[in-house]
Amino acid sequence: DGGITQSPKYLFRKEGQNVTLSCEQNLNHDAMYWYRQDPGQGLRLIYYSQIVNDFQKGDIAEGYSVSREKKESFPLTVTSAQKNPTAFYLCASSILWGSGANVLTFGAGSRLTVL
Amino acid sequence: AQSVTQLGSHVSVSEGALVLLRCNYSSSVPPYLFWYVQYPNQGLQLLLKYTSAATLVKGINGFEAEFKKSETSFHLTKPSAHMSDAAEYFCAVTRSGYSSASKIIFGSGTRLSIRP
Repeated sequence: DGGITQSPKYLFRKEGQNVTLSCEQNLNHDAMYWYRQDPGQGLRLIYYSQIVNDFQKGDIAEGYSVSREKKESFPLTVTSAQKNPTAFYLCASSILWGSGANVLTFGAGSRLTVL
Repeated sequence: AQSVTQLGSHVSVSEGALVLLRCNYSSSVPPYLFWYVQYPNQGLQLLLKYTSAATLVKGINGFEAEFKKSETSFHLTKPSAHMSDAAEYFCAVTRSGYSSASKIIFGSGTRLSIRP
């Protein structure tokens, strides 16, 4: 079955450490996205990529970094510069075409807790 | 600029009762509208979407939503709630014609609880 796999599901980090969250998709989607979810705030876009070796900042990119070396992979690094990294992180992908009605397919999420 | 407002962060209904989750949007151009559902500790999945065809949209699990331009609303309904409907529901809006889902704006979510 096609889908998006995020790992790890739960991650604990000490302050000052960088961590990398994995996101892999086998849907052959061109576009991939990282969202942060906090209680009562909906989803906020961190980074997105529409093509290999290219990505753009979303609304809350500070303290995060990404890479897109392969079409199916879009890892997110939460750096020590991110002041409040404890959150639920969601990876998503979509077809990239011109209708604007692109449905997002989401992974199951990674919950990061900073100790 | 576009925005979406979900009225009520938490809605509780009895099993078998009508479910009504409210969503109002703001958009200067014709919008595309979505409802997503999120079960605990999982990602979001699409319930239904409006893309300027029929104003009454039917989705999965018996849910439907009606696009009302005059009221700038896209409320989600289900005639009879089931215990398995307990989840968080997100309304989302984007501009028609945009090629990237990066322009999707999500509401803050409504948690639906079902009383036995």
